[in-house]
Amino acid sequence: DAGITQSPRYKITETGRQVTLMCHQTWSHSYMFWYRQDLGHGLRLIYYSAAADITDKGEVPDGYVVSRSKTENFPLTLESATRSQTSVYFCASRSSRQGNQPQHFGDGTRLSIL
Amino acid sequence: SQQGEEDPQALSIQEGENATMNCSYKTSINNLQWYRQNSGRGLVHLILIRSNEREKHSGRLRVTLDTSKKSSSLLITASRAADTASYFCATDRSSNTGKLIFGQGTTLQVKP
Repeated sequence: DAGITQSPRYKITETGRQVTLMCHQTWSHSYMFWYRQDLGHGLRLIYYSAAADITDKGEVPDGYVVSRSKTENFPLTLESATRSQTSVYFCASRSSRQGNQPQHFGDGTRLSIL
Repeated sequence: SQQGEEDPQALSIQEGENATMNCSYKTSINNLQWYRQNSGRGLVHLILIRSNEREKHSGRLRVTLDTSKKSSSLLITASRAADTASYFCATDRSSNTGKLIFGQGTTLQVKP
């Protein structure tokens, strides 16, 4: 089915481990985004990508790495997880650079770091 | 800091009543969008209002925008239990086009 899917939906890991969250969209949208959602902070932008091989930092990029070798995939890696990175992570896509297009969100990955 | 701040943080009403949520922002914008988030799910786009528009309707939704006050409101008329969700405003700033800034959301509970 067309859409945007995130995996895994739930993940528990330990401090210091590397973990990768996957995001896949079937619309061939150019723009993709990673957000984290925390109580009291709403959604904060971690990284975004304008196209394959083009990525840029958002508001809270420290501790995260992204790549985009293919248009449809935009994985987010926590290189050495910390407890402060416990959060719900959302991937989103949009058809164009212009902010007048709606963003489409996945259902999120709930990540707990012990 | 967040561009959008929403008020109230939580709202509880009876089915059939109207629900009004407000969003304030700090800098000039190209447009403002409203999203809904059901529990355990991702955000879903509801409606977009451009900076040169004052009011927009979509079904039971009515959005207003007052750029002089840097505020917007979302009205849901004749609410239903299925409207229970969190609602977020998101602004597309004139200075940083394309990167939406989300508010912290209003949690709406509609009691049957």
